[in-house]
Amino acid sequence: DTGVSQNPRHKITKRGQNVTFRCDPISEHNRLYWYRQTLGQGPEFLTYFQNEAQLEKSRLLSDRFSAERPKGSFSTLEIQRTEQGDSAMYLCASSLQGMNQPQHFGDGTRLSIL
Amino acid sequence: AQKITQTQPGMFVQEKEAVTLDCTYDTSDQSYGLFWYKQPSSGEMIFLIYQGSYDEQNATEGRYSLNFQKARKSANLVISASQLGDSAMYFCAMREGGGSGTYKYIFGTGTRLKVLA
Repeated sequence: DTGVSQNPRHKITKRGQNVTFRCDPISEHNRLYWYRQTLGQGPEFLTYFQNEAQLEKSRLLSDRFSAERPKGSFSTLEIQRTEQGDSAMYLCASSLQGMNQPQHFGDGTRLSIL
Repeated sequence: AQKITQTQPGMFVQEKEAVTLDCTYDTSDQSYGLFWYKQPSSGEMIFLIYQGSYDEQNATEGRYSLNFQKARKSANLVISASQLGDSAMYFCAMREGGGSGTYKYIFGTGTRLKVLA
């Protein structure tokens, strides 16, 4: 079990630029989740995949955000035309299917918008 | 709608004492799961304990136990014999069983625990 891996760990970019984050889940996990966490708050759900299918997206997720999970393995989260309010920690988690299956989190990607 | 409420922004506990972190939830689904996670200052989210809505006994994992009161919709985390390394942010989370059309996890706002030497 090598754990959930996220890259990069930190990303600093200018407002208006596009950014892409990558998440490599635990290999046998078929569910993958993306969250956003701001200081002092709990993780806020963005979207999740079962295998390669994106099954749910938060209504808070604007059209500037898109996520993919080609072939049901790694996932990418892209933010287009970044805004100041996008500054946050972006967390990825994976799990096996099943109600009692906990999510295993990566260390996150911290995004800072200048 | 799903909701998790953690009413204690911060808690202090003396080393070796027990502490209870409160969590209440709201759901219309009969099938759901409740989770507690620990997030140290280093940032990683660590799974601690799980309780299913149909579980008749309270969950226990080492020094962690979950005081599950279904009628009151509460799922409080009890940490026994607190250690300095328990100082962290603690999040309660819920996942519904799909009856309401969603399988996502919802997190509370967290409780910051500080263990005093």
